[in-house]
Amino acid sequence: SQTIHQWPATLVQPVGSPLSLECTVEGTSNPNLYWYRQAAGRGLQLLFYSVGIGQISSEVPQNLSASRPQDRQFILSSKKLLLSDSGFYLCALGGEGRSETQYFGPGTRLLVL
Amino acid sequence: AQSVTQPDIHITVSEGASLELRCNYSYGATPYLFWYVQSPGQGLQLLLKYFSGDTLVQGIKGFEAEFKRSQSSFNLRKPSVHWSDAAEYFCAVGGLGGYQKVTFGTGTKLQVIP
Repeated sequence: SQTIHQWPATLVQPVGSPLSLECTVEGTSNPNLYWYRQAAGRGLQLLFYSVGIGQISSEVPQNLSASRPQDRQFILSSKKLLLSDSGFYLCALGGEGRSETQYFGPGTRLLVL
Repeated sequence: AQSVTQPDIHITVSEGASLELRCNYSYGATPYLFWYVQSPGQGLQLLLKYFSGDTLVQGIKGFEAEFKRSQSSFNLRKPSVHWSDAAEYFCAVGGLGGYQKVTFGTGTKLQVIP
């Protein structure tokens, strides 16, 4: 079965510091991978998606970037964090079969101070 | 463009009472529809999904949802709510074939009182 790992689970970072969040998946090959952000009391905002190695699409302009160096690895990065980057970051996979059913990882809580 | 509306931000029900969470969608073709549940500090868990066929879909944890094309709705129901159902619920709509963006609603937070 599919498994999604995210780390770290929680992160507290100062403004202006770099960021690297990692997502790895197991039990599937060539998945579509997604990064979402959930701000307090708000819905899910799609940040990036990837349909394959090295293929990244950005949904919104922002202070963040994403990379997919391996088929089952998806990384979210920033060179300099802003206060507004605080939130709950969710990695998801999808793309099996004809439907885009998405399955989510446990998330990373990021607090920028 | 596709969209999802969950008109109720917060709902409170008594334990043992029935539950209905509303979801309306906008999509130009036959939609794929989903309900997810999120407990505090956790990721989203898929409750159920509708692709085609029977418009009444059964999911996990005793939930069901009914697709009504004429009303562009996909409401989630449960006949008897348990305290452990307290969580946030998200409706989502997507499309068929290859990569299709899935759009999520803003969520409904369910509170269960004894």
